[in-house]
Amino acid sequence: GENVEQHPSTLSVQEGDSAVIKCTYSDSASNYFPWYKQELGKGPQLIIDIRSNVGEKKDQRIAVTLNKTAKHFSLHITETQPEDSAVYFCAASHGQAGTALIFGKGTTLSVSS
Amino acid sequence: GAGVSQSPSNKVTEKGKDVELRCDPISGHTALYWYRQRLGQGLEFLIYFQGNSAPDKSGLPSDRFSAERTGESVSTLTIQRTQQEDSAVYLCASTPGTLGKTQYFGPGTRLLVL
Repeated sequence: GENVEQHPSTLSVQEGDSAVIKCTYSDSASNYFPWYKQELGKGPQLIIDIRSNVGEKKDQRIAVTLNKTAKHFSLHITETQPEDSAVYFCAASHGQAGTALIFGKGTTLSVSS
Repeated sequence: GAGVSQSPSNKVTEKGKDVELRCDPISGHTALYWYRQRLGQGLEFLIYFQGNSAPDKSGLPSDRFSAERTGESVSTLTIQRTQQEDSAVYLCASTPGTLGKTQYFGPGTRLLVL
């Protein structure tokens, strides 16, 4: 079945550095790739998403790139801040009409000041 | 406007008891999902409702798990004869429908089975 691999599982950076999280997926029919941020004790919140008709999307300090040929997509956070510390999940659409999401196992990002 | 709400926020129960978890989706959202998140793990799909269509139950781990949804509103997830391995956070999400794939999550219900 559909599988989404996410790396690394943990990532520690200094404030101001960049952070990159990578995901690969197996279903070539996947066409929607969201990224979620989950803070302690809260539900995941969408931070950015990309659809398969574009290769890159940027929103302030956050950007996502997609390589459909290689079936991988990445999250880039620049100028990291302590409040960026959280667990980040990638996901890929799957299933009938592509409405289901298959999630990666998450990356715990720690930004130290 | 109001987001997805879930209740209770925390639930402690004894092994063998039944529990009911509730989800109130965003008003007007036709699609609703339930996920399970074990400690330090990713989100595991459980069940999906879309309007009046038959639900996609392919993620339910056993017949002790069931879910219902009344029209396009409230959903309840029921776990019968709870086991310790059912301890997890149960998350609910809703979307505007098949055209809008962005899933909006509730805060979750933290279930602890003793």
